[in-house]
Amino acid sequence: QKEVEQNSGPLSVPEGAIASLNCTYSDRGSQSFFWYRQYSGKSPELIMFIYSNGDKEDGRFTAQLNKASQYVSLLIRDSQPSDSATYLCAVSNGNQFYFGTGTSLTVIP
Amino acid sequence: IAGITQAPTSQILAAGRRMTLRCTQDMRHNAMYWYRQDLGLGLRLIHYSNTAGTTGKGEVPDGYSVSRANTDDFPLTLASAVPSQTSVYFCASSVDRGGGYTFGSGTRLTVV
Repeated sequence: QKEVEQNSGPLSVPEGAIASLNCTYSDRGSQSFFWYRQYSGKSPELIMFIYSNGDKEDGRFTAQLNKASQYVSLLIRDSQPSDSATYLCAVSNGNQFYFGTGTSLTVIP
Repeated sequence: IAGITQAPTSQILAAGRRMTLRCTQDMRHNAMYWYRQDLGLGLRLIHYSNTAGTTGKGEVPDGYSVSRANTDDFPLTLASAVPSQTSVYFCASSVDRGGGYTFGSGTRLTVV
């Protein structure tokens, strides 16, 4: 079992819709949770992090964490074509850092 | 501009040759990392350093070595390159181990 699991997609949503990206993790000792965006041919860029159960909002992005279910998600509201990228979930237990393989998102104009 | 600089941007290398990928950060981050990214396999940790003077092995360390003589620099060396080392290599850093990463722009390496 991988430490971090993501649906590889591709996920396609129309412009203006809500994109929902999901991630599960196996280590119950995980403390910090991150979402990275990676455009094709570019390096990953940190867009959200969350430490506590519940929701964290930053502009059009909302990260949701449920430690009991070992589940973290990223919602993108009012999706734009510029949001088309691969989204990487990452989880840290304070010592080890694990990346998922990413979900490819395409926003259709 | 604060961040991580990697060099070269891309390289074609003959098998058996020695190659050093350079990585420099100016954020005074304690921890630094080298990852390779391959299609379908995601990011895999090669080596890491929690602080200057210390290094550790990641998931796929064979064929690679690193050093951390100071806080800023973390070079990755391929002693004798093989075609399976064809990949995109990312250097990253964080304030401390377990924190959010900042990535360099990557080095695309092709071993022929």
